[in-house]
Amino acid sequence: GDSVTQMEGPVTLSEEAFLTINCTYTATGYPSLFWYVQYPGEGLQLLLKATKADDKGSNKGFEATYRKETTSFHLEKGSVQVSDSAVYFCALSRDSWGKFQFGAGTQVVVTP
Amino acid sequence: EAGVTQFPSHSVIEKGQTVTLRCDPISGHDNLYWYRRVMGKEIKFLLHFVKESKQDESGMPNNRFLAERTGGTYSTLKVQPAELEDSGVYFCASSQGQGPNSPLHFGNGTRLTVT
Repeated sequence: GDSVTQMEGPVTLSEEAFLTINCTYTATGYPSLFWYVQYPGEGLQLLLKATKADDKGSNKGFEATYRKETTSFHLEKGSVQVSDSAVYFCALSRDSWGKFQFGAGTQVVVTP
Repeated sequence: EAGVTQFPSHSVIEKGQTVTLRCDPISGHDNLYWYRRVMGKEIKFLLHFVKESKQDESGMPNNRFLAERTGGTYSTLKVQPAELEDSGVYFCASSQGQGPNSPLHFGNGTRLTVT
């Protein structure tokens, strides 16, 4: 079946550091790929998405590129802020919209 | 516009008891989804309503879980009787349509602890 694997956390960084969260997936066909973010005390919010190979999703300084050859969708941000502290979830959707396969989540802690 | 609202935010019950979780989607959203995250693991799909009909309930773990959406507005998820392994965070989400231009809006979740 479909699955999403993302790097375990927590990831602790200093402000202005470079952030990468690795995400790889297993799925048949051509899934859509997503990054969701959960800030403390809040629900999940869509951060960015890519619906086909080589698409780059971007939002709030974050970027991720849909790499079909490596089945990856790594999340990057060049300079993190304390406000980026959150749990980040990689996810895919294949046959049915809204039926996501999520990864386990990666907690990111950014210190001043 | 009010977001997706879930009640209660926390619930602590004993094994064998019954708990009912409620989700109020964004007004006008026909699609409503339930997910749960157990023990800090991945968030897993439970089911999907379109209006009052169950479109997909393939993720429901067993018959102790019952979801309803009478009238196609709010939804409830009842766990009866609750077991220890049901502890986790239950998320509800809604969307207006289905497709890349209809993002899911998630609630803050209900944290269920079964002791």
